[in-house]
Amino acid sequence: KAGVTQTPRYLIKTRGQQVTLSCSPISGHRSVSWYQQTPGQGLQFLFEYFSETQRNKGNFPGRFSGRQFSNSRSEMNVSTLELGDSALYLCASSYDRGRTEAFFGQGTRLTVV
Amino acid sequence: TQLLEQSPQFLSIQEGENLTVYCNSSSVFSSLQWYRQEPGEGPVLLVTVVTGGEVKKLKRLTFQFGDARKDSSLHITAAQPGDTGLYLCAGAVVGFGNEKLTFGTGTRLTIIP
Repeated sequence: KAGVTQTPRYLIKTRGQQVTLSCSPISGHRSVSWYQQTPGQGLQFLFEYFSETQRNKGNFPGRFSGRQFSNSRSEMNVSTLELGDSALYLCASSYDRGRTEAFFGQGTRLTVV
Repeated sequence: TQLLEQSPQFLSIQEGENLTVYCNSSSVFSSLQWYRQEPGEGPVLLVTVVTGGEVKKLKRLTFQFGDARKDSSLHITAAQPGDTGLYLCAGAVVGFGNEKLTFGTGTRLTIIP
């Protein structure tokens, strides 16, 4: 069974630009969550999608958004990038809501310059 | 806001020694999970504990969930260099339509050969 796949692995963007990250969950998993990981703040929850609907949202500005497609694949978008958005963005899939064991992808390392 | 504090934040010990990592909160969780993350990778689930007082063993790793389901500990016996990594606890609250994982602050463990 293939694991969670995130693309791209690395990304360098300029301040003010926007970026889209992609996540393909484990086959059969319907819940996808996104996290931001930085040395200073640790792992911070961004949002969760289930059945193409955002079910939960963390404390991030509206520049951070996401969506989920009918095949459970998910994308997250960050607009008007700031230097502080530089981080490892992790996607995790779970079989269902309430089944909270999360299986993570390798992450996308975003650097904003 | 549910917060999970891990201690110690950093730990560096010699191969063969024993160690314990703690995960504490003032909140009650439905379950608690431990993950290990290696550089450049996403966190990998080690164990899930659900019942207060539960103890689970994974080879040289022993996980315990507190009786009140507010805290947990991870004990490693005879540490080996392969145990090096970032250890994260994560608490889940399920059943209120707000299911999500809250991650701890992390313990960075280094085992010196």
